[in-house]
Amino acid sequence: DAGITQSPRYKITETGRQVTLMCHQTWSHSYMFWYRQDLGHGLRLIYYSAAADITDKGEVPDGYVVSRSKTENFPLTLESATRSQTSVYFCATLYGYEQFFGPGTRLTVL
Amino acid sequence: AQKITQTQPGMFVQEKEAVTLDCTYDTSDPSYGLFWYKQPSSGEMIFLIYQGSYDQQNATEGRYSLNFQKARKSANLVISASQLGDSAMYFCAMRENSGGSNYKLTFGKGTLLTVNP
Repeated sequence: DAGITQSPRYKITETGRQVTLMCHQTWSHSYMFWYRQDLGHGLRLIYYSAAADITDKGEVPDGYVVSRSKTENFPLTLESATRSQTSVYFCATLYGYEQFFGPGTRLTVL
Repeated sequence: AQKITQTQPGMFVQEKEAVTLDCTYDTSDPSYGLFWYKQPSSGEMIFLIYQGSYDQQNATEGRYSLNFQKARKSANLVISASQLGDSAMYFCAMRENSGGSNYKLTFGKGTLLTVNP
């Protein structure tokens, strides 16, 4: 009954490297979301997906790529990490009117 | 313009007292939902309460209630009988339901609540 899992939970990388953050749900919720949380900004939407193979940009998509080949997985890739992408990343799914959040991934880009 | 405004970066309250966390919103969509989430120091996002724009009554969930004033576009969270475990960051969020919003949430910047013993 894990719900939503994110991996890794913590990641340190260097500028210019590619990084993939994983998100997995044990339900079959159609909608999935990626947010980033930064001090002074709250949570901001990066990308979202309405179903497998359907994705769209959110508020802050630059520098990120997503894919969703299976309903249960929604990976987020930073193609060439920058220091400004140091943040806490949350994955979420939607059931009814409520969004359920994963535990988050803390990413540090050196 | 910011869609969700939380004007209190930090709030203090004595244990067992009530506290109100402010949230104002901006939308022209007649159909929308308002949410409050709690984020303790451990980092997880915990859903607290939801209010739909057409709901006639203010939402309540245990010690949490949402003071919804539609004309003023405010959705304040009231926590009654504060407990030490209520110390956390609190986020107000809105979802606009029209125009292909796809259930996206827009968050405020949060209010850090500290409950003093």
